[in-house]
Amino acid sequence: DVKVTQSSRYLVKRTGEKVFLECVQDMDHENMFWYRQDPGLGLRLIYFSYDVKMKEKGDIPEGYSVSREKKERFSLILESASTNQTSMYLCASSRTYYRNQPQHFGDGTRLSIL
Amino acid sequence: AQKITQTQPGMFVQEKEAVTLDCTYDTSDPSYGLFWYKQPSSGEMIFLIYQGSYDQQNATEGRYSLNFQKARKSANLVISASQLGDSAMYFCAMRDYTGTASKLTFGTGTRLQVTL
Repeated sequence: DVKVTQSSRYLVKRTGEKVFLECVQDMDHENMFWYRQDPGLGLRLIYFSYDVKMKEKGDIPEGYSVSREKKERFSLILESASTNQTSMYLCASSRTYYRNQPQHFGDGTRLSIL
Repeated sequence: AQKITQTQPGMFVQEKEAVTLDCTYDTSDPSYGLFWYKQPSSGEMIFLIYQGSYDQQNATEGRYSLNFQKARKSANLVISASQLGDSAMYFCAMRDYTGTASKLTFGTGTRLQVTL
């Protein structure tokens, strides 16, 4: 089974802090994604990566950056956390060339910025 | 731009009954894929079923089936014989095959509550 592991289930940080969310997948997937989930808004794509050191902005990249130094690991960085970044963050991975293959998700990180 | 619309914020169904969760989509691409995910209160996203735009038959996976009406741009999820464990959020998503990675666009979700 594909395993996508997010480093924390719950995280509490203060405004202005630099926050790192880590995600690791064990299936050699090319693509990795970071989403945030807010009530009534569904999942919105922040950033994604299709290869090591490659990244592209999603729909809501402002205030975030990402890092992918190794194929299995994709990090989301909140450069200076703000209260409006309090949310559920979900990491996912997928293969590039298989159309019917779903994205596989981690269990999510509930981040609170105080 | 692609868009997914789920018009039912919440649904109730009695145990053992069937329920249909609505999903409509908008895209100008001829090739696309549609996915349904389940999210229990614990938070993990569980893949349920997939339908490709060129698939001739509606997808089925156990108690889940997809009522795919391409001309109407709808991809409704049908859950037969509902169980208490089906209580969860359900998300419809569409895959974009253009660009460097196969991104998903999600709807806002439907919260299903199964009652006794």
